[in-house]
Parts: sequence; C-alpha cells; structure tokens
Amino acid sequence: EADIYQTPRYLVIGTGKKITLECSQTMGHDKMYWYQQDPGMELHLIHYSYGVNSTEKGDLSSESTVSRIRTEHFPLTLESARPSHTSQYLCASSSPGQAWGTQYFGPGTRLLVL
Amino acid sequence: DAKTTQPPSMDCAEGRAANLPCNHSTISGNEYVYWYRQIHSQGPQYIIHGLKNNETNEMASLIITEDRKSSTLILPHATLRDTAVYYCIVLISNDYKLSFGAGTTVTVRA
Repeated sequence: EADIYQTPRYLVIGTGKKITLECSQTMGHDKMYWYQQDPGMELHLIHYSYGVNSTEKGDLSSESTVSRIRTEHFPLTLESARPSHTSQYLCASSSPGQAWGTQYFGPGTRLLVL
Repeated sequence: DAKTTQPPSMDCAEGRAANLPCNHSTISGNEYVYWYRQIHSQGPQYIIHGLKNNETNEMASLIITEDRKSSTLILPHATLRDTAVYYCIVLISNDYKLSFGAGTTVTVRA
C-alpha cells in the first residue's frame, strides 16, 4: 500500500483566492507528479519533478505552480483561483527503482471555485 | 505510444476469476504493458506491468501473448471492491505520462 497523502480532500473557494494543495509521500520516492482529471474524463499531467529542486511543466497548460524543496513534499499553488480551475487534482509518485510508469496516487483533492 | 483496445464493459460474479482482455497490436519491443484501475471518485491504482513474461503479484496476474499483441489481466477471485474502471496502457520504460483512454468498466455482482 502506497503512502501518499493529499490535503484538503475537498475545497470550495471563491474566485481570486490563492490556494495551495498539499501532497506528501513517505516512501522516499524521487519522482512526483500532479495530474488534473475531470469526472469520467482523461488524466492530464500538469507538473512533475525528478527530485529536490526539479520541477517541469506537463502537457496541459496550467496556471498553477509547484515547488519541490523536500523529497517528500510537492505542493501545488494557484495564485488566483478561477471557476475554470474546478476539477480533481491528483498527486502521484514513483520510486527510483521502478519504471516511471509505476506511479502511486493519492486520494485526490476536489476543487470547486465559485 | 501504441494504442490499446479494451471492451467497454464486463460483468463478473463475486468469487470468480475476472479476465480482462487488451489488444495492443502496434506495441513496439521496448514498450511495457501496464494495468491500472480507478474506483469511482478515487485516484488511479497501479495493478501490474510486464514486458513479455507473465507476471503475478498480490493483486492480479498479467498474461502477455508471445507476439505481445495482446494481454489479459486476471483477477483471480473478484470481490465487490474490485468494481472499477480498468485501464490497459503501454509505455516505454522512461515514460511517465500516463494516458488512460476509455478502459473497461468491470462490475462485480454478488
């Protein structure tokens, strides 16, 4: 069982607010990922990290930013939330000893921007 | 990346084996077959992956045909908690971009 945590699980917030979605893993995984997924729809990679101080943008254009100051922590920040940011955000990680496609996901954060 | 084709849905009786097929006829030699599942409203869950040999872990078995153009995921004793959408994807070893497609909706019935 993978130990990857996301908080909050649900968030309702007004337009223009700054929010940070937290993601932590206790497995010592070097690679971490943020995906966005609408209900019943495809996963979209928005950010990833190879390790500490490494961050890259994914395929889906996103107005969010990420940081990786510690191995276990990969927070995602929206400086000014908009209704178009309403979605589910999924954090994942993978081990240096495994193929990159072997990813362990957190429970997700469901974001609703009013 | 190779495309995969899965049946849109299947039912399975609780306690019986569930055999989930996947076609990947254009798979290349360095692409792995991965299986994930997603239970409603939850994050995806990694199940198993393989290159050309059959693989087994505590969750499932993966049978890959000799020509690697298709595979079958076997859940040996399906439970109600195995009801989910199952995704078959192919990736090279250093590819991290998961893209799931439609998958197979598996419903396990009591």
